[in-house]
Amino acid sequence: GAGVSQSPRYKVTKRGQDVALRCDPISGHVSLYWYRQALGQGPEFLTYFNYEAQQDKSGLPNDRFSAERPEGSISTLTIQRTEQRDSAMYRCASSSNRARTDTQYFGPGTRLTVL
Amino acid sequence: AQSVTQLDSHVSVSEGTPVLLRCNYSSSYSPSLFWYVQHPNKGLQLLLKYTSAATLVKGINGFEAEFKKSETSFHLTKPSAHMSDAAEYFCVGLSGGYNKLIFGAGTRLAVHP
Repeated sequence: GAGVSQSPRYKVTKRGQDVALRCDPISGHVSLYWYRQALGQGPEFLTYFNYEAQQDKSGLPNDRFSAERPEGSISTLTIQRTEQRDSAMYRCASSSNRARTDTQYFGPGTRLTVL
Repeated sequence: AQSVTQLDSHVSVSEGTPVLLRCNYSSSYSPSLFWYVQHPNKGLQLLLKYTSAATLVKGINGFEAEFKKSETSFHLTKPSAHMSDAAEYFCVGLSGGYNKLIFGAGTRLAVHP
């Protein structure tokens, strides 16, 4: 079946612009995660949804970052007033959440470049 | 909270020789540990996971990892490297009460003919 999809795959924007990154999880997966991966580093947790509820947003760097999942399926990560330091790969993952150690399936990521 | 440390940022092997990618963990309780692989321009793929069952965990593509509590290690091995194994490998822990993954810095594996 279809895996996790993310769009756009690449986004180039100018400093100060807002961007919206989309994640479409595997059908039926109730849990959705956002991670950010800087060059040469491992992904870092940003936020987590269970169904439509945002359970943890402790990893969001500041209030320019927000995420939503209004119908418990597709999620959008929004970055307002982008800065060059926001440039990174943004990864989305989903899991069925039947157990704590359920596999998280990752999408291909969105590479964001802020000029 | 759990953390993981990958001891090598780069590993280079010849095709057909064994692969060893090292990972140490720190946890105040019984950990859950994973290895993920990232091929260029691809998403992260789960290789294997340890969840307090057998200490020797077998994964996909001939990889396996052994959980050693006495050494707080979870090293990834493969008996014979293939060119297609060239990728970045992440040792991953699990944080707190739910599925928040904690990634190591990654080990880039190069396989030479």
